[in-house]
Amino acid sequence: AQSVTQLDSQVPVFEEAPVELRCNYSSSVSVYLFWYVQYPNQGLQLLLKYLSGSTLVESINGFEAEFNKSQTSFHLRKPSVHISDTAEYFCAVTPSSGGSYIPTFGRGTSLIVHP
Amino acid sequence: DTAVSQTPKYLVTQMGNDKSIKCEQNLGHDTMYWYKQDSKKFLKIMFSYNNKELIINETVPNRFSPKSPDKAHLNLHINSLELGDSAVYFCASSRVNGELFFGEGSRLTVL
Repeated sequence: AQSVTQLDSQVPVFEEAPVELRCNYSSSVSVYLFWYVQYPNQGLQLLLKYLSGSTLVESINGFEAEFNKSQTSFHLRKPSVHISDTAEYFCAVTPSSGGSYIPTFGRGTSLIVHP
Repeated sequence: DTAVSQTPKYLVTQMGNDKSIKCEQNLGHDTMYWYKQDSKKFLKIMFSYNNKELIINETVPNRFSPKSPDKAHLNLHINSLELGDSAVYFCASSRVNGELFFGEGSRLTVL
């Protein structure tokens, strides 16, 4: 079984400041890792994912996340946030083997960007 | 062309009524899900279907019954609605690696 911990339920920042949203996971098997973003009154959409290869992955809107196997983490970062980044962010994992690809989600982190 | 579409977007109903939410995906995925998101944004998986067969049925009341007529559709029927059923219900489908594609959500309000 897997578990995902997002330590911060809410992260307030000022516009143009850097931000890091933390995600730690626990799993007895190798995993795929995902970050999803949910803008107000919308469904979740994929922000970025790690399946294999380079441990640093990037999104098209300036977010990046680094897979750290030894620390079992997949923290999300952005060097300079915009008001439009205000949203709920979810970290998720799925086992990469064993035939079951059912995702496990963290409880979400609300990023609030102030002008 | 919407990848995962669910209807209706909003439902407002009285306690004790029955309601259904429909979901369709045009991505060709074999696996579909229903999630419940509460007021604190916590996502709870309710059901998962793979190729029309139930593979996950988390601890939900048996008033909730999913139906998958084919692998592109997964509907959710709820009997005898209760106040605590008020939430946003999301349908999703997934690739083999578990990457999820979500619908826009159906906000259920039980009065």
